[in-house]
Amino acid sequence: DIVMTQSPDSLAVSLGERATINCKSSQSVLYSSNNKNYLAWYQQKPGQPPKLLIYWASTRESGVPDRFSGSGSGTDFTLTISSLQAEDVAVYYCQQYYSTLTFGPGTKVDIK
Amino acid sequence: EVQLVESGGGLVQPGGSLRLSCSASGFTFSSYAMHWVRQAPGKGLEYVSAISSNGGSTYYADSVKGRFTISRDNSKNTLYLQMSSLRAEDTAVYYCVKTKYSYGPGPFDYWGQGTLVTVSS
Repeated sequence: DIVMTQSPDSLAVSLGERATINCKSSQSVLYSSNNKNYLAWYQQKPGQPPKLLIYWASTRESGVPDRFSGSGSGTDFTLTISSLQAEDVAVYYCQQYYSTLTFGPGTKVDIK
Repeated sequence: EVQLVESGGGLVQPGGSLRLSCSASGFTFSSYAMHWVRQAPGKGLEYVSAISSNGGSTYYADSVKGRFTISRDNSKNTLYLQMSSLRAEDTAVYYCVKTKYSYGPGPFDYWGQGTLVTVSS
């Protein structure tokens, strides 16, 4: 199975500042035939199920604010929240769907 | 509107059994593979099981293989997870999840609210 790692484990960012979360896969999740990265990002708030934010590494799900963006390719990916809002406090998970689905361990985002 | 509603969770003794159900609506259930993902208290997400749209193909994580059985009834728009020989480490919220695409691999675009399974004596 592809192992997903995330860094940092947690971070605290001031309101309006940028938050950056990294995700690394143990092998490439880039499918060469269609040049797509099989990588998604989810947001989970306390007591709620996860919510899909980003897929194909950089495609924003419908209704997701444009302050959320995804980047990267191959084995290294980043989720960026350009201007942190209070409602963004959550745990963020990356997931690969290139092969048997696996999730990263999560990154907790708090307000500084 | 897509809705996934899980039921069947509860307290069960180690070695016991439980059947989870997930009632789906708002999309053509029979066209989509469906999945179960669990989350132990205070922990991350673990992919547990999957079933193809017609039920002909299934997947199980090593941690549940031989103990859990996934199935579906497309006439009732319902997904099931039969759990047996339950262990304390199976304690978790179990989510029913839909894939974004009706074909090929894809992310999970809809999640149920989850049902809590507690394995304890």
